[in-house]
Amino acid sequence: DSGVTQTPKHLITATGQRVTLRCSPRSGDLSVYWYQQSLDQGLQFLIQYYNGEERAKGNILERFSAQQFPDLHSELNLSSLELGDSALYFCASSAGRGIPYEQYFGPGTRLTVT
Amino acid sequence: AQRVTQPEKLLSVFKGAPVELKCNYSYSGSPELFWYVQYSRQRLQLLLRHISRESIKGFTADLNKGETSFHLKKPFAQEEDSAMYYCALNRPGANNLFFGTGTRLTVIP
Repeated sequence: DSGVTQTPKHLITATGQRVTLRCSPRSGDLSVYWYQQSLDQGLQFLIQYYNGEERAKGNILERFSAQQFPDLHSELNLSSLELGDSALYFCASSAGRGIPYEQYFGPGTRLTVT
Repeated sequence: AQRVTQPEKLLSVFKGAPVELKCNYSYSGSPELFWYVQYSRQRLQLLLRHISRESIKGFTADLNKGETSFHLKKPFAQEEDSAMYYCALNRPGANNLFFGTGTRLTVIP
């Protein structure tokens, strides 16, 4: 157990809807990363927050947004959902701002858009 | 732009046989390379990083800048090595990892 928690474990929703995924980092970790894992694209980095501030952006769609709260938990908001958004969404946390701090991954949230 | 390529989606070897999981990267500078592993029903976790030059669970990986490769090797595969392996790259000063698409290793008893 890495200490990173994600809720919910599974989410099934319809196209056009909006969902929020939640991540709680390991105690003391200031950085939170979000990744999307789909069957055809592998693990894709979406966005990183450090101590409440956005630090890096990857292949994150404009329909997606994230934030990190004062208690350091993070939420990933996905809106206007499309079938192609169905994927596993992982959160990871690390102690510092970036590499070489090791990233600890959560169990993921499986999103199914129907 | 950086890219990480793992040419094999699936790899099967017999127990006790050597195993090599290939990873090639494209990046013009000096990247930091990592191998992450995901065992069945477990989370993705760091296996090793090239700057440590260490052997973890019998696995080693050498960064070959000339061939832009970071292949993962183990001389004698064990059944418990069966897992999904991801090669990842970080550009110095960047804050995120670029992952390959992964290789599923199956060690046949």
